[in-house]
Amino acid sequence: QVQLVQSGAEVKKPGSSVKVSCKASGGMFSNYAISWVRQAPGQGLEWMGGIIPLFGTANYAQKFKGRVTITADESTRTAYMELRSLGSGDTAFYYCARDLRDSSGYNWFDPWGQGTLVTVSS
Amino acid sequence: DIQMTQSPSSLSASVGDRVTVTCRASQSISTYLNWYQQKPGKAPKVLIYATSSLQSGVPSRFSGSGSGTDFTLTISSLQPEDFATYYCQQSYSTPYTFGQGTKLKIK
Repeated sequence: QVQLVQSGAEVKKPGSSVKVSCKASGGMFSNYAISWVRQAPGQGLEWMGGIIPLFGTANYAQKFKGRVTITADESTRTAYMELRSLGSGDTAFYYCARDLRDSSGYNWFDPWGQGTLVTVSS
Repeated sequence: DIQMTQSPSSLSASVGDRVTVTCRASQSISTYLNWYQQKPGKAPKVLIYATSSLQSGVPSRFSGSGSGTDFTLTISSLQPEDFATYYCQQSYSTPYTFGQGTKLKIK
């Protein structure tokens, strides 16, 4: 069974960057996409983008293009999400999730990492 | 982007009640619809994928239906552990989008 373990909470200044890691243990890593989803405190879920480690090409939500970079390191089974030019609106829990796909082409997020709280404050 | 709208936003119910949550997409998404449950302080957990397929380990009191733009999540007999927030999510096209959530509260 795949388990995703994320890096710890971060406090960042406005205008800075943050890089969150997501390490996979068990199961396959390279063949499945990893997506990043964020959730502001008390708010809903927002997909930021994803990557298939085997191919290395990331797909981003337009809202975050130019400000986010998602990468993956197959050798360490770790995915990363870097968000730049942070503002107070980026204070949120950031989750990684495996983007599981079946033979019919349906996909869903399972499992999820435990979440990483990023707080942007001066 | 495909907009997902859930109703109601919150719902009070009692243990043993039958509960239905509705999700509407702004355009047809066929049956590319997933449901997640999130409890306070925890990551979301998938309950149902592809509209009606029950994730392994999820109790059979959960079911999903629909196609096109209108979908429902039904809990046949609420249990104490079901009080949580539920989100629908379309996987038809990127950017994947979620409904705003339905908070299920104890009456």
